[in-house]
Amino acid sequence: QVQLQESGPGLVKPSETLSLDCFVSGASISTYYWAWIRQPPGKGLEWIGYVSFSGSTNYNPSLKSRVTVSLDTSKSQFSLKLNSATTADTAVYYCAGIRDDFAGDHWGRGTLVTVSS
Amino acid sequence: DIVLTQSPATLSLSPGERATLSCRASQSVDNYLAWYQQKPGQAPRLLIYDASYRATDTPPRFSGSGSGTDFTLTISSLQLEDFAVYYCQRRSHWPPGWTFGQGTKVEIK
Repeated sequence: QVQLQESGPGLVKPSETLSLDCFVSGASISTYYWAWIRQPPGKGLEWIGYVSFSGSTNYNPSLKSRVTVSLDTSKSQFSLKLNSATTADTAVYYCAGIRDDFAGDHWGRGTLVTVSS
Repeated sequence: DIVLTQSPATLSLSPGERATLSCRASQSVDNYLAWYQQKPGQAPRLLIYDASYRATDTPPRFSGSGSGTDFTLTISSLQLEDFAVYYCQRRSHWPPGWTFGQGTKVEIK
């Protein structure tokens, strides 16, 4: 079955870059949008962005200047980089694969990233 | 940017009752609207896509309707496992940003 697993540091210092990877197994890389979503503690979901197999990206306008989502098909993984992190970026970060016909998706379990000195 | 506004923020109902959740977009998203359910400590689960199509394994008591700017998720008869937070999300490609609504919590009355 399709599985996604987030990995990366759980603690990031302010002004540094928050970097996460998501390893994908059991899915065809070419038929999904590969996305990142986050959820600050006790709050709602926030869309970060996606990358498609063709390399097209779609970012949250409020984060666009700081975000890069990229895909490495050789490693079956995609990545998130969020520059100039602040305490407001503290959240559970989820990676997800959304079928390109929108009929289904698969999510990782989420990983908590805390931005603190 | 397109803003999704969900109402009410909280819905207090008893098992067996009907739940009606609203999602309003600040401009048209055609039918590119999804509904998710999230329980504490879990990743969101897709219920409805393209406004009215049930995802695999979504029970038939869940139905979605609407197009353009006004959408509704209906749960015909609430089961105990349905008490959760529900989010709508737009998936139209322009303008960029597949934003979520702020969520509606369905709680036991």
